[in-house]
Amino acid sequence: NAGVMQNPRHLVRRRGQEARLRCSPMKGHSHVYWYRQLPEEGLKFMVYLQKENIIDESGMPKERFSAEFPKEGPSILRIQQVVRGDSAAYFCASSPGAGGSGETQYFGPGTRLLVL
Amino acid sequence: KQEVTQIPAALSVPEGENLVLNCSFTDSAIYNLQWFRQDPGKGLTSLLLIQSSQREQTSGRLNASLDKSSGRSTLYIAASQPGDSATYLCAVAQGGSEKLVFGKGMKLTVNP
Repeated sequence: NAGVMQNPRHLVRRRGQEARLRCSPMKGHSHVYWYRQLPEEGLKFMVYLQKENIIDESGMPKERFSAEFPKEGPSILRIQQVVRGDSAAYFCASSPGAGGSGETQYFGPGTRLLVL
Repeated sequence: KQEVTQIPAALSVPEGENLVLNCSFTDSAIYNLQWFRQDPGKGLTSLLLIQSSQREQTSGRLNASLDKSSGRSTLYIAASQPGDSATYLCAVAQGGSEKLVFGKGMKLTVNP
């Protein structure tokens, strides 16, 4: 059973470009979470999605950031018009969504975004 | 607002020592608490998860305890090895929410 997969593992963008980060949850998992780790900082929650629904986006910046988890295919975190402050490691996690709160979240290897 | 604190931020010890890593949180209304390991440039590996109704969990040389009322957890590492060198993160699953709230981590170096 493959773990959570993220691609690309490393992404370099120039200021003003768009960044698209992809996350494929573990097989059978229907809940996806995105976290951001800024240099020398802990991981910060960004957004929680279920298939075709955004459940909690309280950690998402108000502008330029969006996330989706379509019925088919991976979850996408999209950052428009990137700025240097967006440089960070972006981690995706998934959980089964079998019921009950506080399910174990399984993390992917992360995408390291560098904005030049 | 939940805040998770890990002190100290870094620790360097000789091989063989028994270690205690501390984690504190401000809001005791949690579902569970999880300890992770992160190696440089890598993702997170879950070490132990303690449900709010539990007091401790053990896996090999690792033992984690939870005192929800005082907002504290400790991760005990027995007979530390150089391979234990990594950053250790503590995270709580907040009641009423699915998101994890992380501490900033503690960077552990075990010297041979």
